[in-house]
Amino acid sequence: QKEVEQDPGPLSVPEGAIVSLNCTYSNSAFQYFMWYRQYSRKGPELLMYTYSSGNKEDGRFTAQVDKSSKYISLFIRDSQPSDSATYLCATMKNFGNEKLTFGTGTRLTIIP
Amino acid sequence: DVKVTQSSRYLVKRTGEKVFLECVQDMDHENMFWYRQDPGLGLRLIYFSYDVKMKEKGDIPEGYSVSREKKERFSLILESASTNQTSMYLCASSSISGDTDTQYFGPGTRLTVL
Repeated sequence: QKEVEQDPGPLSVPEGAIVSLNCTYSNSAFQYFMWYRQYSRKGPELLMYTYSSGNKEDGRFTAQVDKSSKYISLFIRDSQPSDSATYLCATMKNFGNEKLTFGTGTRLTIIP
Repeated sequence: DVKVTQSSRYLVKRTGEKVFLECVQDMDHENMFWYRQDPGLGLRLIYFSYDVKMKEKGDIPEGYSVSREKKERFSLILESASTNQTSMYLCASSSISGDTDTQYFGPGTRLTVL
């Protein structure tokens, strides 16, 4: 079993819709949770970061972590065609000399 | 603004060739990482380094080696390239300062081994 599971999609939604992207993880030691966005033929870029359980909002993006159920979510409101990309969730136990554990990524397409 | 650069965007090599992939970061980060990314498998860690001349195996180190002679530069070496090493290779760097910033990625090198 992978430590981080993510539905690969693809996911297609109309412009303006609310998008929900999700991951589950198995190791309760994970404390830091990230979402990366990766455009085609580019490297991943950090989109959101949260520590422990709770919500974090940044513009149209909301990251949510439920440690009790080991569930990570990213919500995109008022989705735009420019949001079309692959979204990768990632987790880490501690900052410092630690490696990230990634999900496989979900390919999202926003249809104009 | 953090910048991670990789020596080539696209590379085509033949089976058995020795391949060098170079990565340079300009933010004085202590940590550097090499991943490969394949459809359906996501990002898999090959090697990482916490300091100069220091290296640690990741999840899939077989067939690869690394070199970190300077803090800003981390090289991935394929001693004898094989077709199953055709992939997108991504380099990343991060700081150990424990702030909210995490790994910064380069643009990737798409390697094809014929």
